[in-house]
Amino acid sequence: DAKTTQPPSMDCAEGRAANLPCNHSTISGNEYVYWYRQIHSQGPQYIIHGLKNNETNEMASLIITEDRKSSTLILPHATLRDTAVYYCIVRPANFGNEKLTFGTGTRLTIIP
Amino acid sequence: DVKVTQSSRYLVKRTGEKVFLECVQDMDHENMFWYRQDPGLGLRLIYFSYDVKMKEKGDIPEGYSVSREKKERFSLILESASTNQTSMYLCATVGAGGRNEQYFGPGTRLTVT
Repeated sequence: DAKTTQPPSMDCAEGRAANLPCNHSTISGNEYVYWYRQIHSQGPQYIIHGLKNNETNEMASLIITEDRKSSTLILPHATLRDTAVYYCIVRPANFGNEKLTFGTGTRLTIIP
Repeated sequence: DVKVTQSSRYLVKRTGEKVFLECVQDMDHENMFWYRQDPGLGLRLIYFSYDVKMKEKGDIPEGYSVSREKKERFSLILESASTNQTSMYLCATVGAGGRNEQYFGPGTRLTVT
């Protein structure tokens, strides 16, 4: 998997948008950007993924720069339940039987 | 919603015991995985299975074995538990439909004393 770089921690006020950055300057043309999160003592949870266009689902939005070297996960109205470690990874989409490798991620704390 | 369940959330076993961790999924997914997660080491793949009775070693299979007799069930076995196998164990399956996201179970925190 291509390497990603994320800030180790961030705080965000409850109700505000949380913007989590990720650098992936060595991403290949066929690699997607995936985001997962892990709430304390729970299994990781898939959030969203994208190739080059911006994506939005019921959980979050993903903004990928035009050169694809970085991206931002946006939680539009953060709640206390969004406190978690967020992982950004890059990998080909057609990898069904390959392992996931998480970096150290960003520990997001939502402040009441 | 995909459901991945694991037999126990917390487990305490003694050194030398045989330990069974079970994972069940309800989405008819072919691919299933067992990881362990330790502070500072991230996720490490122990074994995965891409079909019934099929298994492949991951990065750290030593001391573990697996069983997949039915599509929905993937078991991890610690033949003789040791203290260095104290960890969080996570089961995952891979979604279909082109997204290829992995769905994780809640995890089993195993302590070997």
